[in-house]
Amino acid sequence: EPEVTQTPSHQVTQMGQEVILHCVPISNHLYFYWYRQILGQKVEFLVSFYNNEISEKSEIFDDQFSVERPDGSNFTLKIRSTKLEDSAMYFCASSQEDYRLTDTQYFGPGTRLTVL
Amino acid sequence: AQSVTQLGSHVSVSEGALVLLRCNYSSSVPPYLFWYVQYPNQGLQLLLKYTSAATLVKGINGFEAEFKKSETSFHLTKPSAHMSDAAEYFCAVSGFDGGPDMRFGAGTRLTVKP
Repeated sequence: EPEVTQTPSHQVTQMGQEVILHCVPISNHLYFYWYRQILGQKVEFLVSFYNNEISEKSEIFDDQFSVERPDGSNFTLKIRSTKLEDSAMYFCASSQEDYRLTDTQYFGPGTRLTVL
Repeated sequence: AQSVTQLGSHVSVSEGALVLLRCNYSSSVPPYLFWYVQYPNQGLQLLLKYTSAATLVKGINGFEAEFKKSETSFHLTKPSAHMSDAAEYFCAVSGFDGGPDMRFGAGTRLTVKP
């Protein structure tokens, strides 16, 4: 069964450094998402992406964050200058259709980001 | 805007006992409701979803959930708990409110005692 994959599973970085989190969505999906989960807290929406542009983003997704689909398969989340509070589990998700068609989002296993 | 509330951050049951995890939703439009499970150190896995077809939805691993519009609830149940069911469970809602993001509840940690 196709699945969303994410790499690395765990990323440790120093405060102020840039990190790029990688995701490979399910191949025939068109809508891509990033979520994060700070330890002990609920899953929070960051951004959605369709047709090579951001379609929605939350207030969390400030100028330090960016997303890109550099080729036909990868979907990346970049944090330009990491802060301690960016430490969290980051989940990538994808869906075949628009949320308006009630399609389910399929989640990857997550990347645990630790900022020291 | 949609939101979900999960009652009880921690539920503990004995092996073989009924599992009941509560979720209430708030929505101004017909919602689409989901239950996800997160095993330790793993990602989110879809258990089941409600998309306005049958009100009783059966999912994986013997779980099911019933959509009750009158109670604005979508509680998750399993007749007999297994040790392997120990995990964090998240209720989530999406809908036609103008945003593609799925809104998650705070999660309920299920512990299964031998």
